[in-house]
Amino acid sequence: GQQVMQIPQYQHVQEGEDFTTYCNSSTTLSNIQWYKQRPGGHPVFLIQLVKSGEVKKQKRLTFQFGEAKKNSSLHITATQTTDVGTYFCASNLGTDKLIFGTGTRLQVFP
Amino acid sequence: EADIYQTPRYLVIGTGKKITLECSQTMGHDKMYWYQQDPGMELHLIHYSYGVNSTEKGDLSSESTVSRIRTEHFPLTLESARPSHTSQYLCASRNSGTGAEAFFGQGTRLTVV
Repeated sequence: GQQVMQIPQYQHVQEGEDFTTYCNSSTTLSNIQWYKQRPGGHPVFLIQLVKSGEVKKQKRLTFQFGEAKKNSSLHITATQTTDVGTYFCASNLGTDKLIFGTGTRLQVFP
Repeated sequence: EADIYQTPRYLVIGTGKKITLECSQTMGHDKMYWYQQDPGMELHLIHYSYGVNSTEKGDLSSESTVSRIRTEHFPLTLESARPSHTSQYLCASRNSGTGAEAFFGQGTRLTVV
């Protein structure tokens, strides 16, 4: 089936460093959503992007949707230990399905 | 807080047993989903439903079956459990509309011995 790839698969950072995860699709996406899953928890919705080139911010988190609507990124400025978890992008790919990216696991060392 | 519930939270069961994982939501959402996730890994869509009496298979082949007789209820059944079914199963729901966010249940951690 259609896939949404994320890189990197893992990222270990020192607290205070920045972090970025990238989401890539071979097809144009109608929208992109981002979720965070804490260790042992379930995915929780963070944000949705719809427009080409759209940028949204939530405190230290910046989300961007590519101009061609085939890629997206999530950037965290000055990571904290509370940012630990796996970050997933997701898209409905124009159907009723909701397909998740492969995820990026973030570990933050104090 | 999302109103979507999964039971049981943990289940250890013997090979060959039939099991049903329950998922209920009280938000009136049309769309419901089942995902399979191994620890720390990606979420694989195994079943989804866009309304009562509609179910579709997801991208990951699964020996499980689902039903959607009521809007709020989307149970998943394994007729004969095998060790390869050991995983976490996550249920989610969302409103109709392209951009609706998905709400997840707490998940069921299934171990087949």
